[in-house]
Amino acid sequence: AQSVTQLDSHVSVSEGTPVLLRCNYSSSYSPSLFWYVQHPNKGLQLLLKYTSAATLVKGINGFEAEFKKSETSFHLTKPSAHMSDAAEYFCVVRGPGGSYIPTFGRGTSLIVHP
Amino acid sequence: DAGVTQSPTHLIKTRGQQVTLRCSPKSGHDTVSWYQQALGQGPQFIFQYYEEEERQRGNFPDRFSGHQFPNYSSELNVNALLLGDSALYLCASSFISGVRTGELFFGEGSRLTVL
Repeated sequence: AQSVTQLDSHVSVSEGTPVLLRCNYSSSYSPSLFWYVQHPNKGLQLLLKYTSAATLVKGINGFEAEFKKSETSFHLTKPSAHMSDAAEYFCVVRGPGGSYIPTFGRGTSLIVHP
Repeated sequence: DAGVTQSPTHLIKTRGQQVTLRCSPKSGHDTVSWYQQALGQGPQFIFQYYEEEERQRGNFPDRFSGHQFPNYSSELNVNALLLGDSALYLCASSFISGVRTGELFFGEGSRLTVL
């Protein structure tokens, strides 16, 4: 079984300040982990993915995430928030074991203040 | 290169009715999966189609059914609609070779309201 917990339903930052969106996962196997972003009335877009290569993963738009097996975490960060980063962010886990069904977290709404 | 396209974008139905949603995958993709995203929730996997067959299914009742056509496009059918079926329905496409770790490409969704 696999699950993912996004620790914050909302995160509010000022433009130009760092962003941290937290995600913990549970998986019986070595998982693949993803972060997706969903802007209002849009489909989901992949930000980055971890697939057992480098533990620090760089994605699009300046986002990156670090896979920490000991902490079962995959937090998403960005050094400086931009107004266009305001959106819903989803952490996703996919594992082997005969099923690659992705499990989504409930989402974190990122609010960016000018 | 067109991405994943879904239709209709919005629709309103009444309880007990049936609905069909359509999805065209990204060019070259052979696998389509469907998701239900209730308001304020993350998407939940409904099922996945490859080679015109349902390959995997999430925890959804038989009222939810689908089809994949030879051109890889897909339909999601929901019978006997309930109020709780109101949601954004997302279609995602990928290559079957990338099912384990590959990126999913999502459409913008079909928003279903059941009255």
